[in-house]
Amino acid sequence: EVQLVESGGGLVQPGGSLRLSCAASGFTFSTYSINWVRQAPGKGLEWVSYITSSSSTIYYADSVKGRFTISRDNAKNSLYLQMNSLRAEDTAVYYCARGRRDSGYGCFDYWGQGTLVTVSS
Amino acid sequence: EIVLTQSPGTLSLSPGERATLSCRASQSVSSSYLAWYQQKPGQAPRLLIYGASSRATGIPDRFSGSGSGTDFTLTISRLEPEDFAVYYCQQYESSLWTFGQGTKVEIK
Repeated sequence: EVQLVESGGGLVQPGGSLRLSCAASGFTFSTYSINWVRQAPGKGLEWVSYITSSSSTIYYADSVKGRFTISRDNAKNSLYLQMNSLRAEDTAVYYCARGRRDSGYGCFDYWGQGTLVTVSS
Repeated sequence: EIVLTQSPGTLSLSPGERATLSCRASQSVSSSYLAWYQQKPGQAPRLLIYGASSRATGIPDRFSGSGSGTDFTLTISRLEPEDFAVYYCQQYESSLWTFGQGTKVEIK
């Protein structure tokens, strides 16, 4: 069974940093591209970042470019999101989501349960 | 950036009725890269439809997707109690993934 489990969320002050993790199991993690997608309270979904299986290609949404860094450790079946210079508008549930390989990674076929990040003083 | 606009914002229907949800793109979208998701309160989104019209694994056949270019539709042929949720369309193009704002299907 494919599982994605996020952790690392919490309360952080504006300007602070936080590192999210996503532990994967039930599939060959090292062969899939993975994404971070977030959802502000009561709002819609926003794609945040993408990383290929080998980390050779990385993309970010403009809203987080220069502040967030995505990375992965295939030996540990884990995905990370380092978030710096956090703002109130970064408050959201952060999901890791697997790219659907047969769709050219254009959509997300499995999602974690999410971890809540709250940026507030 | 391609903007996806979903309509209506809220759809009030009774179980057994047919639901028709619209997703309109600001410019042409490859059908290969148009997807639909269902999200229930407190849960992660679930992939329903990919490639505009292909059902994801385990999705009942009462869910169907159609459309091309800038106009796409998700149809639920007969609403079951578990189908009342928020639905999002999503597209991928030029290293950017974007979602519509969602349509809430609520019990009338």
